[in-house]
Amino acid sequence: EAGVAQSPRYKIIEKRQSVAFWCNPISGHATLYWYQQILGQGPKLLIQFQNNGVVDDSQLPKDRFSAERLKGVDSTLKIQPAKLEDSAVYLCASSWTSGAKNIQYFGAGTRLSVL
Amino acid sequence: TQLLEQSPQFLSIQEGENLTVYCNSSSVFSSLQWYRQEPGEGPVLLVTVVTGGEVKKLKRLTFQFGDARKDSSLHITAAQPGDTGLYLCAGRYGGSQGNLIFGKGTKLSVKP
Repeated sequence: EAGVAQSPRYKIIEKRQSVAFWCNPISGHATLYWYQQILGQGPKLLIQFQNNGVVDDSQLPKDRFSAERLKGVDSTLKIQPAKLEDSAVYLCASSWTSGAKNIQYFGAGTRLSVL
Repeated sequence: TQLLEQSPQFLSIQEGENLTVYCNSSSVFSSLQWYRQEPGEGPVLLVTVVTGGEVKKLKRLTFQFGDARKDSSLHITAAQPGDTGLYLCAGRYGGSQGNLIFGKGTKLSVKP
């Protein structure tokens, strides 16, 4: 079974530029998550989708971050404009559905460096 | 805001030694998970504990959930270099639909 695919693996941009990350979840997984992991910290949830609807985006900085999952399969996360403090690994995860008993499978992440 | 405290933050030991990593919160978890993350990879789930006092074993790893469901520990017996990685605990608050809150992790290095 193919895992969660993310691209690109690495991205270097200058502050105030825009960047987009792509995630393709495991086939059949209805729930998709985007996490931000700053160096030395654990992942922090940015947004959770159930199919193509947003379940929780309470920690998404909506003035600069946006995410979509239009067809309920793959998803993109965009930052516009980027700030220095956005340097982090952006992890995508998916699960069959939400809830405690559902395992979240993580992709390898996109490492973003904002200069 | 719920906080998960993990200790120690860093741990460097020799192959064959035992170690324990701790995860604490002032709030009650509905469930708690332990993950291992290797450099350049995403976290991989090791175990989920749900019941207070629960103990689960995974080969040389023993996971314990506190009776009050506010703390957890991970014990590794006879550590191997392959155990090297970042160990993250993640607690779920507010019922089965609550989101996962991750601790900062314990970075373990096991030297041959």
